[in-house]
Amino acid sequence: QQQVKQSPQSLIVQKGGISIINCAYENTAFDYFPWYQQFPGKGPALLIAIRPDVSEKKEGRFTISFNKSAKQFSLHIMDSQPGDSATYFCAALNYGQNFVFGPGTRLSVLP
Amino acid sequence: DVKVTQSSRYLVKRTGEKVFLECVQDMDHENMFWYRQDPGLGLRLIYFSYDVKMKEKGDIPEGYSVSREKKERFSLILESASTNQTSMYLCASSFGSTGYGYTFGSGTRLTVV
Repeated sequence: QQQVKQSPQSLIVQKGGISIINCAYENTAFDYFPWYQQFPGKGPALLIAIRPDVSEKKEGRFTISFNKSAKQFSLHIMDSQPGDSATYFCAALNYGQNFVFGPGTRLSVLP
Repeated sequence: DVKVTQSSRYLVKRTGEKVFLECVQDMDHENMFWYRQDPGLGLRLIYFSYDVKMKEKGDIPEGYSVSREKKERFSLILESASTNQTSMYLCASSFGSTGYGYTFGSGTRLTVV
């Protein structure tokens, strides 16, 4: 029940396209859902996050869509750029507990 | 700028050696964490600490121990390194009782031969 499932494992998108990464969870007590971006040789960095009281959050080209009833959330990267090529992790947090991370999605944006 | 510093980027150690991985944060964060990252398995929590001298086991603590003598420093210890501990090790810290939003270090890639 603490697991967060993430798909796809890898994704190849053309420059200018839309990248979509999906995550699903079981524990309805989760109350914070961040996405982390990791470049090779670096640690993960917080990209964008959402709480379950909203259905969508947008920051620049990055959007989180949240479906509370389906217990799913997704990251959309609009106008994907080669500089977006990285590994993306979704995560979920239950107040007073630790983060649970998805297994990651390796995104490659072709020039 | 918030910073979590891991002392080594790359380490090569022999089987059976005792290995110390050091992590220092300059943000006065209460919470510190050690993860290992392996392809296809994501980030798995080894140990964490919510305060000085305090430590809690994460999901995969076997073969590891930790030390937190000062608030800013959290050390991961491999008591007797084995080849299956070859991995990327990530330290993170966060503020507050729950820690919304981790700050990660750049990682230490450990190879045990």
